[in-house]
Amino acid sequence: QQQVKQSPQSLIVQKGGIPIINCAYENTAFDYFPWYQQFPGKGPALLIAIRPDVSEKKEGRFTISFNKSAKQFSLHIMDSQPGDSATYFCAASYSNQFYFGTGTSLTVIP
Amino acid sequence: DVKVTQSSRYLVKRTGEKVFLECVQDMDHENMFWYRQDPGLGLRLIYFSYDVKMKEKGDIPEGYSVSREKKERFSLILESASTNQTSMYLCASSQGPTPYGYTFGSGTRLTVV
Repeated sequence: QQQVKQSPQSLIVQKGGIPIINCAYENTAFDYFPWYQQFPGKGPALLIAIRPDVSEKKEGRFTISFNKSAKQFSLHIMDSQPGDSATYFCAASYSNQFYFGTGTSLTVIP
Repeated sequence: DVKVTQSSRYLVKRTGEKVFLECVQDMDHENMFWYRQDPGLGLRLIYFSYDVKMKEKGDIPEGYSVSREKKERFSLILESASTNQTSMYLCASSQGPTPYGYTFGSGTRLTVV
């Protein structure tokens, strides 16, 4: 059973566009929601994370929006660049364990 | 720079072989994890460890075992490799409680022929 559901599986946008990746969860015990970015041949790297007591967090061009009542959170990438082309994973955590989404392959076309 | 190092980037093994995947972290982290990554399935937890000589099964432990004799080293063992274990294997470590998240290694792509 997938604890965290992620969509879409793949996404293609033009340079400067705003790709949005969505995740949903059921377990209200989750207390930490990170996003990971993975380039080909590399392990995932922490990109940005949010706690459920805030509704939005921005770091540079990356924004997490969090809707606690809907049990959904999303990643927005402003002014996307070809260098943002990667696979993005959402995750949810409690009690030191992480549950990952299935990943979204993002391609930003120049 | 903190690191999780996986000993091999690519491995090719034959069916039935015993395979060892090694992972070392230099951050004095308590927690270490092994995942496999497959297209469309994301990251699936195989085993994890919160302390030396301690291990817990994850979601897909069948066909695998682990060893943690020292805090910095966490080994994944495929007792008798099979073709369905062809995958990317990722090791990760973390400090005690969140929000520090995981630090991942670069992965080992294992092909079983």
